[in-house]
Amino acid sequence: DQQVKQNSPSLSVQEGRISILNCDYTNSMFDYFLWYKKYPAEGPTFLISISSIKDKNEDGRFTVFLNKSAKHLSLHIVPSQPGDSAVYFCAASIQGAQKLVFGQGTRLTINP
Amino acid sequence: AAGVIQSPRHLIKEKRETATLKCYPIPRHDTVYWYQQGPGQDPQFLISFYEKMQSDKGSIPDRFSAQQFSDYHSELNMSSLELGDSALYFCASSGPSDALGTETQYFGPGTRLLVL
Repeated sequence: DQQVKQNSPSLSVQEGRISILNCDYTNSMFDYFLWYKKYPAEGPTFLISISSIKDKNEDGRFTVFLNKSAKHLSLHIVPSQPGDSAVYFCAASIQGAQKLVFGQGTRLTINP
Repeated sequence: AAGVIQSPRHLIKEKRETATLKCYPIPRHDTVYWYQQGPGQDPQFLISFYEKMQSDKGSIPDRFSAQQFSDYHSELNMSSLELGDSALYFCASSGPSDALGTETQYFGPGTRLLVL
């Protein structure tokens, strides 16, 4: 039972354009959401997070949007840079329960 | 800034052997988490510790055990290793909750375990 889903295994975007990565969840108890970036043979690197009391959080080139009614969140990267090429994981947790539930990941490729 | 340290980075074992993975959290972080990532899969939560006590448990086999020590480092002990235990094992740590009560987990580089 995949509670966090990233339905796009891969995404290819032109350098300088916007990258939009999507994530859906099924458990309405989730109230904290995070995006991690992962390079091969390295651990996930924290990018940005959002609490369920917000619908948007922005940090530099990265913006996360949360639509609670649709149980959907998205990560926007603008402008996209070649160094952004990596696998992006969406993760969710229930405050107090601690464990993160991950999506399957989306491989983002930024083309020069 | 100091990050989560894991050792060893790579480990090769034979079936039925034992393995011990170590994790050193970010300074002043009091919670440690262990995750397992199989080939082509997303990370799966194994177990976590807060202030040296087990705080949550996921899909951790009975052959595995873990603990957190007084200096907050943690060890994952794996016995009777099976071929299916070959995976990346990540440790993450988190510190005191923020004003919203949230805690962000920061991951180490992982230990790649290969069981032959």
